[in-house]
Amino acid sequence: GDSVTQMEGPVTLSEEAFLTINCTYTATGYPSLFWYVQYPGEGLQLLLKATKADDKGSNKGFEATYRKETTSFHLEKGSVQVSDSAVYFCAPYSGGYQKVTFGTGTKLQVIP
Amino acid sequence: DARVTQTPRHKVTEMGQEVTMRCQPILGHNTVFWYRQTMMQGLELLAYFRNRAPLDDSGMPKDRFSAEMPDATLATLKIQPSEPRDSAVYFCASGLPPVGSGANVLTFGAGSRLTVL
Repeated sequence: GDSVTQMEGPVTLSEEAFLTINCTYTATGYPSLFWYVQYPGEGLQLLLKATKADDKGSNKGFEATYRKETTSFHLEKGSVQVSDSAVYFCAPYSGGYQKVTFGTGTKLQVIP
Repeated sequence: DARVTQTPRHKVTEMGQEVTMRCQPILGHNTVFWYRQTMMQGLELLAYFRNRAPLDDSGMPKDRFSAEMPDATLATLKIQPSEPRDSAVYFCASGLPPVGSGANVLTFGAGSRLTVL
């Protein structure tokens, strides 16, 4: 089945710093790739997605590019804000009735 | 915005008691997932349903956990008897198949935080 490896957290950054959260995946097919975000006390919500190689997903200043050759989907943001403090989950999905598989999540803490 | 509704939001109970968590999926969504989140294990898939039929419940401890969809607007997760190791946040999520594809993403509820003393 699908699996995903995310960098260990927590990641602590100062406001306006550059963010990278690494994600690599293994999948049986040609998956779509997702980043979900979980704010404190809430469920997960979709942050961005990419459905084919070299696609770039973007939302709220976050970006991630589908790299098939390295099986990666790293999340980046040029200037983080305190409000970005949350847990970020990478997830591949291979289609059909496959389950959506989440990584362990990476906690981001942004300090003023 | 359409949302997935979970109740209760918080539950504290004693070991051995029965616990029932409820989920109202988004109207029209016919695929429902139950996840459990803990610090140690992260986000684990317990069970998922399509059109009210269980597709996979292999992630669920069978001896004490049960999941059902009595109708299209209600999914339940029951623990009997509960144990302290069941303390976690339980999430329900719903979607349209193929769930997780570029067009049909999962929508999560806010979760039910369970504490078993």
